[in-house]
Amino acid sequence: ETGVTQSPTHLIKTRGQQVTLRCSSQSGHNTVSWYQQALGQGPQFIFQYYREEENGRGNFPPRFSGLQFPNYSSELNVNALELDDSALYLCASSLGGLSSYNEQFFGPGTRLTVL
Amino acid sequence: AQSVSQHNHHVILSEAASLELGCNYSYGGTVNLFWYVQYPGQHLQLLLKYFSGDPLVKGIKGFEAEFIKSKFSFNLRKPSVQWSDTAEYFCAVTPGGNYGQNFVFGPGTRLSVLP
Repeated sequence: ETGVTQSPTHLIKTRGQQVTLRCSSQSGHNTVSWYQQALGQGPQFIFQYYREEENGRGNFPPRFSGLQFPNYSSELNVNALELDDSALYLCASSLGGLSSYNEQFFGPGTRLTVL
Repeated sequence: AQSVSQHNHHVILSEAASLELGCNYSYGGTVNLFWYVQYPGQHLQLLLKYFSGDPLVKGIKGFEAEFIKSKFSFNLRKPSVQWSDTAEYFCAVTPGGNYGQNFVFGPGTRLSVLP
């Protein structure tokens, strides 16, 4: 069984640029969530996708957007990058939809540095 | 809005010492509670979870946690730690039931176990 994978591993961008991060869910998982983990802090929920539709969003501005594809892979897009966007971005997949009873499996993360 | 606090930022123990990591949450309704662990260089992994029933839950690797509803707490314990328990530990909460998986994580506690 393949786990959750993310690409790229590391990324360096400059302020104002746009970035796309990718996540491949664990096989068969139809729900994906994205989190931002700043240095020394716990992950913060960005949003969740279930069957290609956004289902819930944390306290992040609209320049954070996402997509989920029919094969349940997913993208996180961030426009107009700011220095504070520097963080580890995690995706987590789960099976069975919206229930909070379903275990989330986390990927290794993408480390984004904004200069 | 939900929030999670963890009592200690960094805990240092010798092998065989007992461990207790504090976690408190603020949320008025039914909650699901989780402890996640992040070993150095690895993904976030689920240690244990509480949904309902027996407030004392057992997880992997000898960890357990007790839910005390009146104190809004979900403390993690282990009777005897090993060097391999060195990791970052995160407490997380979600609303109970089918309300999505917008986990709220605490800031984490770094555990260092000295051999």
